[in-house]
Amino acid sequence: NAGVTQTPKFQVLKTGQSMTLQCAQDMNHNSMYWYRQDPGMGLRLIYYSASEGTTDKGEVPNGYNVSRLNKREFSLRLESAAPSQTSVYFCASSEGRQGIWNQPQHFGDGTRLSIL
Amino acid sequence: AQSVTQPDIHITVSEGASLELRCNYSYGATPYLFWYVQSPGQGLQLLLKYFSGDTLVQGIKGFEAEFKRSQSSFNLRKPSVHWSDAAEYFCAVVEGGSYIPTFGRGTSLIVHP
Repeated sequence: NAGVTQTPKFQVLKTGQSMTLQCAQDMNHNSMYWYRQDPGMGLRLIYYSASEGTTDKGEVPNGYNVSRLNKREFSLRLESAAPSQTSVYFCASSEGRQGIWNQPQHFGDGTRLSIL
Repeated sequence: AQSVTQPDIHITVSEGASLELRCNYSYGATPYLFWYVQSPGQGLQLLLKYFSGDTLVQGIKGFEAEFKRSQSSFNLRKPSVHWSDAAEYFCAVVEGGSYIPTFGRGTSLIVHP
């Protein structure tokens, strides 16, 4: 049981380059999330997808775009990378849906992204 | 809006000692409460959760947490810490009708031998 799989695990980019972080879950979860984790800041929500076909902005969406490709996959794209986007990115999923609000999240192991 | 405070950035304990990590939340009604643990280089893993009922909840790895409505707290405890418990611990809250959790900033647990 793989759970939540993120690729790549590590990436180094130059300022201005673009890239897409991939996330897939095999738990048939409805909701998926992208977070960034920076020292002393905890987890900050970038975007989320409550269900297949929908996406919404979180706390820090600027500079990012997302695609909920299907129920399994939720990708995060940096169109023009900036040094401020150096961070560890986590994808998560949960069963949460209308009427079932209290399900915990399952996390991937993260993508460590450095932008020079 | 809901918020979560973990007042301790770092906690250092000796192996075998007891542990309590603090978490306070701000939300009017009874929220859904979670504790997660993050080992180095890993994602977050659920330790335990509280939704309703018994205010003392048991989790994995010998952890427990107690919900105290009067103090708006959900503190995590373990009677005897093992070196493998060294990790980052996050408290999270979800208010009813939302599936967007708010996370605390985390408490880093250091275990001395």
